[in-house]
Amino acid sequence: GQNIDQPTEMTATEGAIVQINCTYQTSGFNGLFWYQQHAGEAPTFLSYNVLDGLEEKGRFSSFLSRSKGYSYLLLKELQMKDSASYLCAIMDSNYQLIWGAGTKLIIKP
Amino acid sequence: IAGITQAPTSQILAAGRRMTLRCTQDMRHNAMYWYRQDLGLGLRLIHYSNTAGTTGKGEVPDGYSVSRANTDDFPLTLASAVPSQTSVYFCASSHNGGGGTDTQYFGPGTRLTVL
Repeated sequence: GQNIDQPTEMTATEGAIVQINCTYQTSGFNGLFWYQQHAGEAPTFLSYNVLDGLEEKGRFSSFLSRSKGYSYLLLKELQMKDSASYLCAIMDSNYQLIWGAGTKLIIKP
Repeated sequence: IAGITQAPTSQILAAGRRMTLRCTQDMRHNAMYWYRQDLGLGLRLIHYSNTAGTTGKGEVPDGYSVSRANTDDFPLTLASAVPSQTSVYFCASSHNGGGGTDTQYFGPGTRLTVL
């Protein structure tokens, strides 16, 4: 079967660093996406990984290990506006996205 | 450029009624998608269309139908709504579909309550 696991909720402090993990088992792999979703809003694209390694984009970085079925999203210099849910999604062999339930990140001052 | 628009923003519907959720994109994307999002669950694909004139079933298609008469519009119809269809519905689009990896862009969503 297909399965994507993320922690349900995480709490971090403003200015700190947080790592959100995602593990997956899917039928085929054509890339891993991270999206951000603020409460009551639409998901917005953050990052895409298809090869092993780290992709850095400003304060956000995303890492992928295909052999381990593992990814993480690293957020640095946390700001209050980073309070949101972070969704991990795998593009499967049919080029459809399979979504995790999301990790709600709470930032405290 | 509006991107993707959805209508209505929210709706309360009596069970058994027919309802069409509208989705329009102005990015000339080939592929469009309908998802539902429920608390504690990931986004689940209802139906998709890789190009105008074609549609396909996603993970949870029962009780829903779609059409893709042109590139811009992708309406989702609930023929006879049931309470289990209470959810937030997101429409999305991507430049390619069905044969390539491409980023999906989402509309603002429709919050539907079926009583």
